Amino acid sequence: KAGVTQTPRYLIKTRGQQVTLSCSPISGHRSVSWYQQTPGQGLQFLFEYFSETQRNKGNFPGRFSGRQFSNSRSEMNVSTLELGDSALYLCASSFGLATDTQYFGPGTRLTVL
Amino acid sequence: SQQGEEDPQALSIQEGENATMNCSYKTSINNLQWYRQNSGRGLVHLILIRSNEREKHSGRLRVTLDTSKKSSSLLITASRAADTASYFCATGMYSGGGADGLTFGKGTHLIIQP
Repeated sequence: KAGVTQTPRYLIKTRGQQVTLSCSPISGHRSVSWYQQTPGQGLQFLFEYFSETQRNKGNFPGRFSGRQFSNSRSEMNVSTLELGDSALYLCASSFGLATDTQYFGPGTRLTVL
Repeated sequence: SQQGEEDPQALSIQEGENATMNCSYKTSINNLQWYRQNSGRGLVHLILIRSNEREKHSGRLRVTLDTSKKSSSLLITASRAADTASYFCATGMYSGGGADGLTFGKGTHLIIQP
C-alpha cells in the first residue's frame, strides 16, 4: 500500500504571497491532519479533516486553511505569508481519530523570503 | 504549547548499548505515542501505549507509561547506527471538542556512535 505523499517537497515564496500544499493519504484513510514543524515551536497541530469536513483545529490564525476532497486528498493554504511561516509542513493520515496512530508524509519544506 | 517534554534533549551512545529517553506530560491522555524522525523528514510511528497499559514491547523497543507521574520512557536495546534520529513523544486525548490532535514534545536527538 502506498504511503502518504505530499507535493511539492520544497517551496520558496516571498512575504505576502500565498501557497497551497497538497497531500494524498494512504488509501482507505479518511482522516487527514496537518502539522507545522519549526526549530523554535516544534511540531504543532494545525487541523484535521474527515469526510471533507474540518473536524479539529489547532491554535493557528485564519491565514491557515485547508480542505479535503471526496477522494480524501487534502490541501492546505497559507495566505499572506510571513517570514515565521517558514517551516516543514507535515501531512498525516489515519483510519480513525486525529489522536490515533498517524502515518506521516515526507513533508513540504516552505521557505519564506 | 507543548504537552510532552522529552529528556534528555540529546543523547550519544556507542553502538550496541541501550538508549533510554523519557517523556513527561501535563494533562490526562487516552494514549501516548512515540515517533522517529530522520534528518527533518517525515515521522515514523514506533509504538502506541494506551492510558490503561503500563508497558508495551515492539522488537527492540520497550515503552512504559506511568499515568500517576504523567511520564513515559522509551528504551531501545542493542542500538544500531540506523537508530540515529530524533525521537518524539506525542500525547493523544480525545475530547470531541473540536481541537483534538496529537501534542508533541520537542524530541530527543539520539546519536549512535559506531
